[in-house]
Amino acid sequence: AQSVTQPDIHITVSEGASLELRCNYSYGATPYLFWYVQSPGQGLQLLLKYFSGDTLVQGIKGFEAEFKRSQSSFNLRKPSVHWSDAAEYFCAVEGRGSTLGRLYFGRGTQLTVWP
Amino acid sequence: SQTIHQWPATLVQPVGSPLSLECTVEGTSNPNLYWYRQAAGRGLQLLFYSIGIDQISSEVPQNLSASRPQDRQFILSSKKLLLSDSGFYLCAFNRGGTGELFFGEGSRLTVL
Repeated sequence: AQSVTQPDIHITVSEGASLELRCNYSYGATPYLFWYVQSPGQGLQLLLKYFSGDTLVQGIKGFEAEFKRSQSSFNLRKPSVHWSDAAEYFCAVEGRGSTLGRLYFGRGTQLTVWP
Repeated sequence: SQTIHQWPATLVQPVGSPLSLECTVEGTSNPNLYWYRQAAGRGLQLLFYSIGIDQISSEVPQNLSASRPQDRQFILSSKKLLLSDSGFYLCAFNRGGTGELFFGEGSRLTVL
């Protein structure tokens, strides 16, 4: 079964600094990969997704993520963080075959941005 | 446009009482529907998944059940709540085999 690991529970960065949130997945083949963001007390919003093709994907709000098959990773990056980026970020994997359509999420990484 | 609504937004219930959370989707037909639970520090746990009316898969054994009486309605229920049922419940949908999930605003359940 597929699973997702986000090793960092909480990250703090200064506004303007670069950001990288880590995500590792476990799956026998190439999965579909997603990053979502959640503001406090709200539902989740999709930042970006990877299905196939170019391993560097661009998302909304200036985020990007790179799929690295050799490392089973899909890390999220942003070159310059804004205070409004403070939120919780979730990596998710969708399996293919019999589990197509079901997304499995990591435990999330809480991002704090210092002014 | 496609929208998803869930209610109530907040619920405080005593242990042993029943539960009913509702979710409806508008602007699309035959969606895949999901119930997730988010507990503090534990991420999102997939509870139920439905590809059609009365077609529901349970991901984990638990004190909860789900029903889909209509194509765009998904209900999460319990006959007797436990303290461990407290959490933030999210309904979501997508269409087709893959793709973006659209989430509702969530329902925060506190069991006392």
